[in-house]
Amino acid sequence: AQKVTQAQTEISVVEKEDVTLDCVYETRDTTYYLFWYKQPPSGELVFLIRRNSFDEQNEISGRYSWNFQKSTSSFNFTITASQVVDSAVYFCALKRGTSYGKLTFGQGTILTVHP
Amino acid sequence: GAVVSQHPSWVICKSGTSVKIECRSLDFQATTMFWYRQFPKQSLMLMATSNEGSKATYEQGVEKDKFLINHASLTLSTLTVTSAHPEDSSFYICSAPGTSGRSQETQYFGPGTRLLVL
Repeated sequence: AQKVTQAQTEISVVEKEDVTLDCVYETRDTTYYLFWYKQPPSGELVFLIRRNSFDEQNEISGRYSWNFQKSTSSFNFTITASQVVDSAVYFCALKRGTSYGKLTFGQGTILTVHP
Repeated sequence: GAVVSQHPSWVICKSGTSVKIECRSLDFQATTMFWYRQFPKQSLMLMATSNEGSKATYEQGVEKDKFLINHASLTLSTLTVTSAHPEDSSFYICSAPGTSGRSQETQYFGPGTRLLVL
């Protein structure tokens, strides 16, 4: 069985602070994919990143960075110099390696960035 | 990236009526689409997998006779909530995988449909 745990239910920061959202996953598959999605108040899920199980390189995209560590089954997401527009619910998700496999979502982390 | 649309974006209906929600892939073909449900302040839960040309596959605990899925073409899947009740009020979201290269491993989500059953 697959499982994704986002232990932080809610995080509140002040603008310009750095914030890290944690994600821990469980799977018996050797091939799998990890994702982060952002869900702003409008409700539409915005794709942020995909990482496959064989690529442990960390990635940086602007103010966003991701730290993938297979040894601890974690795929954490850091926002540097947070902005009010970053306020949203962030979901970490896991997909099996088979094509068109379904996503298993974590519980989500509500991030509020105060001005 | 791939674009997925949903219609309507929100709907209010009376208890006992049926509601149809459409999910369309706008710039690509999708032989498979997924339907999720999200209750307020909760995560997304997969309801069913919609397969073009064959029956949908439902997740455990989801009533297939209540949530009818029809994948009519390579760009359209519909979810019909039959005899809706207030407990069916939720945010319904569809998704489809990309079709080429690395995008095949990514699910692209529609904007969602908010259903309120009175």
